[in-house]
Amino acid sequence: AQKVTQAQTEISVVEKEDVTLDCVYETRDTTYYLFWYKQPPSGELVFLIRRNSFDEQNEISGRYSWNFQKSTSSFNFTITASQVVDSAVYFCALSEAGGFKTIFGAGTRLFVKA
Amino acid sequence: GAGVSQSPRYKVAKRGQDVALRCDPISGHVSLFWYQQALGQGPEFLTYFQNEAQLDKSGLPSDRFFAERPEGSVSTLKIQRTQQEDSAVYLCASSLALQIYEQYFGPGTRLTVT
Repeated sequence: AQKVTQAQTEISVVEKEDVTLDCVYETRDTTYYLFWYKQPPSGELVFLIRRNSFDEQNEISGRYSWNFQKSTSSFNFTITASQVVDSAVYFCALSEAGGFKTIFGAGTRLFVKA
Repeated sequence: GAGVSQSPRYKVAKRGQDVALRCDPISGHVSLFWYQQALGQGPEFLTYFQNEAQLDKSGLPSDRFFAERPEGSVSTLKIQRTQQEDSAVYLCASSLALQIYEQYFGPGTRLTVT
């Protein structure tokens, strides 16, 4: 069965600190897709990144970077030099190629203080 | 272009009433998803459409929940005989192609059952 675990419920950092949000997933499929979404206080989820199970290359986009490790079933998200605008709830999600569902984790609420 | 829109944004229903929630996906998007998001939780999958075909409805919590997308564009989620446990934010998302691609979310409908 599919499962996504985000063990960190809330994280609080001071602006300019680096922060890593953890995501651990479970799946029986060999082909699957992992996602991160951001839900700012306004409420609308915004897509950040998608990775497929065959591409373990880490990715960097500006201050954001993602570390995908199949060996530990983890897909962690790091924000470098955090800013107040990064304050939001971040969700990790999993879709299996053989199904139609997307399973979301419970989310990690990030507070960035000025 | 226009994003995903949902209406109404807020709905208050008395227990036992029927409600209908509407989703207008991004034009041309094949895939459409409905999710239920309880306070402090991640979105929980309800159902998935590919064009007008409902390919997965395994997440619908009871037979009081019904979704349709008759012409492959606008979708309606109907809840009959609402109960207090139905109170949540109902999110709609659409995707250009298959379910394994990034989803674009609407602002949600906050349903409160009194």
